[in-house]
Amino acid sequence: DIQMTQAPSSLSASVGDRVTITCRASQNIKNYLNWYQQKSGKAPKVLIYAASSLQSGVPSRFSGSGSGTDFTLTISGLQPEDFATYYCQQSYSTPLFTFGPGTKVEIK
Amino acid sequence: QVQLQESGPGLVKPSQTLSLTCTVSGGSISSDSYYWSWIRQPAGEGLEWIGRMFPSGSPKYNPSLKSRVTISRDTSKNQFSLKLSSVTAADTAVYYCAREYYYDSGGYYYRIFDYWGQGTLVTVSS
Repeated sequence: DIQMTQAPSSLSASVGDRVTITCRASQNIKNYLNWYQQKSGKAPKVLIYAASSLQSGVPSRFSGSGSGTDFTLTISGLQPEDFATYYCQQSYSTPLFTFGPGTKVEIK
Repeated sequence: QVQLQESGPGLVKPSQTLSLTCTVSGGSISSDSYYWSWIRQPAGEGLEWIGRMFPSGSPKYNPSLKSRVTISRDTSKNQFSLKLSSVTAADTAVYYCAREYYYDSGGYYYRIFDYWGQGTLVTVSS
């Protein structure tokens, strides 16, 4: 199985900050990497697919980069509605999808 | 607008079978364009893909659960279902159904879960 790790596991930030979350795969997954946002008590919502493509309707302050084993999600100008937990997910080994453990973004 | 809704018992006894149904509206589970998955999330933990079905072909399961999982469909009701046998407390989680969509980029298929149900909490306890 492809294992996904994320760093940090949590972070505190202020509105307007630039936030970066990293995700690492245990093997080369090319760019088969998605990012999801999950708010408390809600289902996840896809933000980024193919490592850097913005899902329709997602604000442009979200961006993704990376390929191979190392990936990054960046939020440029954190907004109050962005406080949530973020998960990466690989789709390289379809259909055995695996998710990262999550990064919780909290208000400083 | 596609909507998914999970339903089923919220409490299951250990060693029994967990049964959930996902009702889909605004789209057909018979369409060859999508897969339909079950995903679960224990409280305070991450997400685990359980398995998926496709209109044609056999369902696919996570190897870690394969011996206990069955996913089936009822196209007349536009529903698909999950059965997980021999449950233990470790199976306590919020269970989501989700639609799997793919982007075709020159023959490379990028798959995402684009629509999700609201999730249903299943507790395994005597």
